[in-house]
Amino acid sequence: DVKVTQSSRYLVKRTGEKVFLECVQDMDHENMFWYRQDPGLGLRLIYFSYDVKMKEKGDIPEGYSVSREKKERFSLILESASTNQTSMYLCASSLRADTQYFGPGTRLTVL
Amino acid sequence: GQQLNQSPQSMFIQEGEDVSMNCTSSSIFNTWLWYKQEPGEGPVLLIALYKAGELTSNGRLTAQFGITRKDSFLNISASIPSDVGIYFCAGFLYNQGGKLIFGQGTELSVKP
Repeated sequence: DVKVTQSSRYLVKRTGEKVFLECVQDMDHENMFWYRQDPGLGLRLIYFSYDVKMKEKGDIPEGYSVSREKKERFSLILESASTNQTSMYLCASSLRADTQYFGPGTRLTVL
Repeated sequence: GQQLNQSPQSMFIQEGEDVSMNCTSSSIFNTWLWYKQEPGEGPVLLIALYKAGELTSNGRLTAQFGITRKDSFLNISASIPSDVGIYFCAGFLYNQGGKLIFGQGTELSVKP
């Protein structure tokens, strides 16, 4: 079974803090993705990576950066958290680009 | 941009009933996926479809990739209370930046 894990299920941070969200997959997948999910807006792609050290902007990259130093790990970084970044963050990985497997999500609240 | 229209938005059914939901698009896709998401959890992949006309089952779930490549449906037979959740379709097109496009979701409620 594919297993995608995210470092925290719930996180509360203050405005201006630097926030790291970690994602690890154990299936040797090349592709990894970060989404955010908001009511009424659905899932939106923030960044994705097709290989180690490689990153591509998704539809809403502003305010975020990513790091992929190892194949199994993809980190999402909020350089200076803002209240409008309060959301559910979902990591996904895939062997083929299309068939993506999601982690359990991190519910981030920025106060 | 591409959009997926998923219907219905919500369903309230009695345990034991069959359920049908579908996704349509004005664009063609190479892959159709169906996910289920429970409150506070990430989406779980239920069925992946890779060929037009393909019909695939996973237990009580059956999904089909439309012949035109512009639609897909998901059926759940003999629903049970643990089927409750939000079901999402997603389409993928290789030559459009390789992104998954998601439907808005169908919220399923099952009354015991």
